[in-house]
Amino acid sequence: ETGVTQSPTHLIKTRGQQVTLRCSSQSGHNTVSWYQQALGQGPQFIFQYYREEENGRGNFPPRFSGLQFPNYSSELNVNALELDDSALYLCASSSIDSASPLHFGNGTRLTVT
Amino acid sequence: QQQVKQSPQSLIVQKGGISIINCAYENTAFDYFPWYQQFPGKGPALLIAIRPDVSEKKEGRFTISFNKSAKQFSLHIMDSQPGDSATYFCAASMEGSQGNLIFGKGTKLSVKP
Repeated sequence: ETGVTQSPTHLIKTRGQQVTLRCSSQSGHNTVSWYQQALGQGPQFIFQYYREEENGRGNFPPRFSGLQFPNYSSELNVNALELDDSALYLCASSSIDSASPLHFGNGTRLTVT
Repeated sequence: QQQVKQSPQSLIVQKGGISIINCAYENTAFDYFPWYQQFPGKGPALLIAIRPDVSEKKEGRFTISFNKSAKQFSLHIMDSQPGDSATYFCAASMEGSQGNLIFGKGTKLSVKP
């Protein structure tokens, strides 16, 4: 069973730039959720994708957007990067079955300078 | 508004001792309460989870106690080991929104040999 994999592991960007983060979900899972984890904080829900459509969104501005592909992999895009966007971005996959727990990847560490 | 409050922020326990971490929630619509363990440089990993129809769940050395009337739940780690040293997060979600977990701020546990 292949777990959740994320790429890249680390990334440095300049304020105002755009970034794309990638996630491959665990085999057998059909939903993907993205979280932002600031240093020393718990993860915060950004959004979830199911059947290639956004299926729930947290308190994040529209410059955070995503995609889910037919193979259930996903991308997180962030436009007009701000210094406060520096964080660990976590992808988690699950089955749409309400009893299915979230399985997290190891994240992408984004630094905005 | 912090919907899940976790305490303590940090905890030091001797090897073989009991580690106890507490969480309180506000939203009575929450119906799923997982605990995640996170090591440095890794994503959160599910430890154990409970639903409000039971008051206690045990898996190996890990036990969740749940008090629905008080809106509180706690993680007990019996016979704590140095390998348990990590950050622990409680979380909660509503029915049908298991991909949208509300996390506490985390507890950094150190188990001294």
